[in-house]
Amino acid sequence: QKEVEQNSGPLSVPEGAIASLNCTYSDRGSQSFFWYRQYSGKSPELIMFIYSNGDKEDGRFTAQLNKASQYVSLLIRDSQPSDSATYLCAVNQGAQKLVFGQGTRLTINP
Amino acid sequence: DAGITQSPRHKVTETGTPVTLRCHQTENHRYMYWYRQDPGHGLRLIHYSYGVKDTDKGEVSDGYSVSRSKTEDFLLTLESATSSQTSVYFCAISESGFGADETQYFGPGTRLLVL
Repeated sequence: QKEVEQNSGPLSVPEGAIASLNCTYSDRGSQSFFWYRQYSGKSPELIMFIYSNGDKEDGRFTAQLNKASQYVSLLIRDSQPSDSATYLCAVNQGAQKLVFGQGTRLTINP
Repeated sequence: DAGITQSPRHKVTETGTPVTLRCHQTENHRYMYWYRQDPGHGLRLIHYSYGVKDTDKGEVSDGYSVSRSKTEDFLLTLESATSSQTSVYFCAISESGFGADETQYFGPGTRLLVL
């Protein structure tokens, strides 16, 4: 069983709609969770992190964490073509290490 | 962008030759990491460093070695390159701590092709 799992997609969403990206993890001791965005040919860049159960909002992005069910999700409201990218979920594994999921490729259709 | 540079940015080499990739940071962050990214595998940790001369293995460390003689530099060496090491290599840095301080910031990457 992979430690961090994401649906690889591609996930296709019309412009202006809500994109929902999901991630599950296996280590119940994980405390910190991160979402990165990676454009094709570029390096990953942080969108947001979350470490408390519930929702955390930053602009059009909302991260949701449910530690009991071991999942973390990312919602993108009012999706724009510029949101088309691969989204990586990362979970801390203690000792300042992160484990990354394979990423979900998101395409926003104009 | 965080002050992270990687060199070279692109390299083509032949099987059996040694290759060294360099990561340089200007942020004075304690932790540095080397990842490789391959289709279908995502980002996988090769080695990481938690201080000068302090390093440890990641999940895919076979065939790789690292050194960190200064806070700002972290070197990754492929001792005898193989075609299976063709990949994109990313360096990352983070401060020490919890939550936001665990955030890793990535360099621009090095594309390595082993023929």
